[in-house]
Amino acid sequence: DGGITQSPKYLFRKEGQNVTLSCEQNLNHDAMYWYRQDPGQGLRLIYYSQIVNDFQKGDIAEGYSVSREKKESFPLTVTSAQKNPTAFYLCASTVGQGPGELFFGEGSRLTVL
Amino acid sequence: DAKTTQPPSMDCAEGRAANLPCNHSTISGNEYVYWYRQIHSQGPQYIIHGLKNNETNEMASLIITEDRKSSTLILPHATLRDTAVYYCIVRVGYSGAGSYQLTFGKGTKLSVIP
Repeated sequence: DGGITQSPKYLFRKEGQNVTLSCEQNLNHDAMYWYRQDPGQGLRLIYYSQIVNDFQKGDIAEGYSVSREKKESFPLTVTSAQKNPTAFYLCASTVGQGPGELFFGEGSRLTVL
Repeated sequence: DAKTTQPPSMDCAEGRAANLPCNHSTISGNEYVYWYRQIHSQGPQYIIHGLKNNETNEMASLIITEDRKSSTLILPHATLRDTAVYYCIVRVGYSGAGSYQLTFGKGTKLSVIP
């Protein structure tokens, strides 16, 4: 079945370490997104990519980095520069044109100790 | 994207219709209304979207007022599995080379009660 796979589902890291969250989709979607969600809050956009080898900053990109070397993959690195990295991270994708729906992965919960 | 206003929480009896309101008084003519829901600790799930006509699918119905300043999501027969946070979002359908992003607010927490 087509969908978006995020891994790992849970991740614990020490303060100061970089961590990379994986996001893979087999929906043949052009556009992919990373969102962050804090408890009781809505989703905030970190980065998005419309096509391979191109990506743009969202509302809260500081302390994060991404790459888009393949259409299927959009990994997110949470760097040590991110001051409050503990959060629920969601990856999403969409066809890229037209008012279509956004498909989400199941999320990755990062806890920095 | 236009800002939306939703009540923070609502209760609904199991088997009854759940009507979730959303105000979007600054919506532009080319902006769509989208609804998503999020069950605790899972990724959001798309429900339905519309431009100006009412829409219905297997999950829900979307009623948009004639002036498009507000809308209502209707779950016709709510079940316990419908307990979730429901997000109303308005945005343009496609902005060409620009962004194609959805701005999620805090949504409405719907509790379906047995």
